[in-house]
Amino acid sequence: AQSVTQPDIHITVSEGASLELRCNYSYGATPYLFWYVQSPGQGLQLLLKYFSGDTLVQGIKGFEAEFKRSQSSFNLRKPSVHWSDAAEYFCALSGGYNKLIFGAGTRLAVHP
Amino acid sequence: EPEVTQTPSHQVTQMGQEVILRCVPISNHLYFYWYRQILGQKVEFLVSFYNNEISEKSEIFDDQFSVERPDGSNFTLKIRSTKLEDSAMYFCASSSTGEQFFGPGTRLTVL
Repeated sequence: AQSVTQPDIHITVSEGASLELRCNYSYGATPYLFWYVQSPGQGLQLLLKYFSGDTLVQGIKGFEAEFKRSQSSFNLRKPSVHWSDAAEYFCALSGGYNKLIFGAGTRLAVHP
Repeated sequence: EPEVTQTPSHQVTQMGQEVILRCVPISNHLYFYWYRQILGQKVEFLVSFYNNEISEKSEIFDDQFSVERPDGSNFTLKIRSTKLEDSAMYFCASSSTGEQFFGPGTRLTVL
């Protein structure tokens, strides 16, 4: 079955601290992988994507993610979090132009 | 930068009424999608549309739902007879290269 698991429902970090949000997936082949961010009452903004090639991908707003096939993971990282990063983060996969399958999301709170 | 737009931003309707949610995808995109997000829950796929026909639909997308691309720029989602449980945020997305870009959503409230 195709699925995305985000084990952490809620994470709190201090401003300036590093961040890692976890994402594990289940898929029959190598999927397309994405991270989206959603601020309260807003739409979904694409942070970064992995299709193939280099397993470390860079995105917008200083985020990066690493695809690890052996662990079926695609964790999102940021070296230094800003207060404006507080939002909900969704990991998602697709098989190409197919539907996106989303994880349940991780809500990030940032303490000053 | 091109973006997906959706109207209205908020729609309130009575149970049993028909609603049409409208989307203008990014102009050179060929793949279109509708998703919904019930408050506090994950984003769920409803339907995908390519070459003027539905390419995939979920179990949620029953006979009460339909999609249309009436004029080459708009992409609409119609709910024929709304139920209380249709209250959700509805997102339109479009794609040309596999990455999907989302609109800001329409919040549908069914009373």
